[in-house]
Amino acid sequence: NAGVMQNPRHLVRRRGQEARLRCSPMKGHSHVYWYRQLPEEGLKFMVYLQKENIIDESGMPKERFSAEFPKEGPSILRIQQVVRGDSAAYFCASSPRTGVGVTEAFFGQGTRLTVV
Amino acid sequence: DAKTTQPNSMESNEEEPVHLPCNHSTISGTDYIHWYRQLPSQGPEYVIHGLTSNVNNRMASLAIAEDRKSSTLILHRATLRDAAVYYCILRPQGAQKLVFGQGTRLTINP
Repeated sequence: NAGVMQNPRHLVRRRGQEARLRCSPMKGHSHVYWYRQLPEEGLKFMVYLQKENIIDESGMPKERFSAEFPKEGPSILRIQQVVRGDSAAYFCASSPRTGVGVTEAFFGQGTRLTVV
Repeated sequence: DAKTTQPNSMESNEEEPVHLPCNHSTISGTDYIHWYRQLPSQGPEYVIHGLTSNVNNRMASLAIAEDRKSSTLILHRATLRDAAVYYCILRPQGAQKLVFGQGTRLTINP
């Protein structure tokens, strides 16, 4: 069972371009989470999605950032008109459908975005 | 979200036990205590979690105080590969997202 796959691992964009980050959750997982980690800082929650639904986007910047998790295909984190402050590592995590119990989240290796 | 307090950094020697403390004085009855760690240049990985009783797995042990206001992650025999940032997180039952603090940066000396 492959783990959470993120691509690309490294992404360089010029200011003003768009960045698209992809995340394929573990097989059978229907919950996806995106986190951002600025250099030398902790992980900050951005958004939580289930298939075709955004459940919690309380950590998403109000502008330029969007996320989706379509019925088919990977989850996409999209950043429009990138600025230097967007340079960070973006991590995706997935977990299975939860019932009463508490389950662990599995993280990908991250995408390191550099805006030049 | 209930808050956790951890030391910024700790240092230990290879092949010795490591006790990583976490204070969570405002924990509620349905908060689970989770530990994750993040190795350099990698995504976080799950270590262990518990509610009231002490827990053991192949990676570590989790000792939870009787009043649940603190807990300790125990690495029984540290190796160089255990050098990482360790995060103690409170996760309410039914909650989905994990809220990370600053964690403890653990250095292991050869």
